[in-house]
Amino acid sequence: GNSVTQMEGPVTLSEEAFLTINCTYTATGYPSLFWYVQYPGEGLQLLLKATKADDKGSNKGFEATYRKETTSFHLEKGSVQVSDSAVYFCALSDPGTSYDKVIFGPGTSLSVIP
Amino acid sequence: EPEVTQTPSHQVTQMGQEVILRCVPISNHLYFYWYRQILGQKVEFLVSFYNNEISEKSEIFDDQFSVERPDGSNFTLKIRSTKLEDSAMYFCASSGGLAGATEQFFGPGTRLTVL
Repeated sequence: GNSVTQMEGPVTLSEEAFLTINCTYTATGYPSLFWYVQYPGEGLQLLLKATKADDKGSNKGFEATYRKETTSFHLEKGSVQVSDSAVYFCALSDPGTSYDKVIFGPGTSLSVIP
Repeated sequence: EPEVTQTPSHQVTQMGQEVILRCVPISNHLYFYWYRQILGQKVEFLVSFYNNEISEKSEIFDDQFSVERPDGSNFTLKIRSTKLEDSAMYFCASSGGLAGATEQFFGPGTRLTVL
């Protein structure tokens, strides 16, 4: 079945450091890929998405490229801020059916210290 | 910008009691979902709902759970007899506007605490 694996946290970085959170997936067909962010005490927000191979999703300085050959969708940001402290979830859905569920990875907690 | 809303934000209940979690999806969406996140764990799919019936459900969604769209705007999740292990954050989501879409929009969640 479809699944998502992402690097274990927690990740602690200093402000302005470079961030990479690795994500790989297993899926039949051609899934859409997402990164969701959950700030402390809040719900899930879509951070960025990519719907086909080689697409790059980007938002708020974050970016991720859909790599079909390596089945990966790594999240990167060149310079993190304290306000980026949150839990980041890599996820996929199968666009083959409009109502297909989103499958989430386990989440990676990021703490950015001043 | 349209958004999914959920009420209440926090529900405390006694074990064995029934609870109803409420959601108002985005108005022109056609597909509705419930997910669960036990504290510190990943978000898990519970059920999807389309055209007034369940389209898919997970193993978690047993006979204690039910969903309903009682009117044109609300989407509810009912747990008939809550157990301690039902304590979690419950997220509602919707997708599929008139133009079709794969992106799901999530509500802020309801934190359910079963004592």
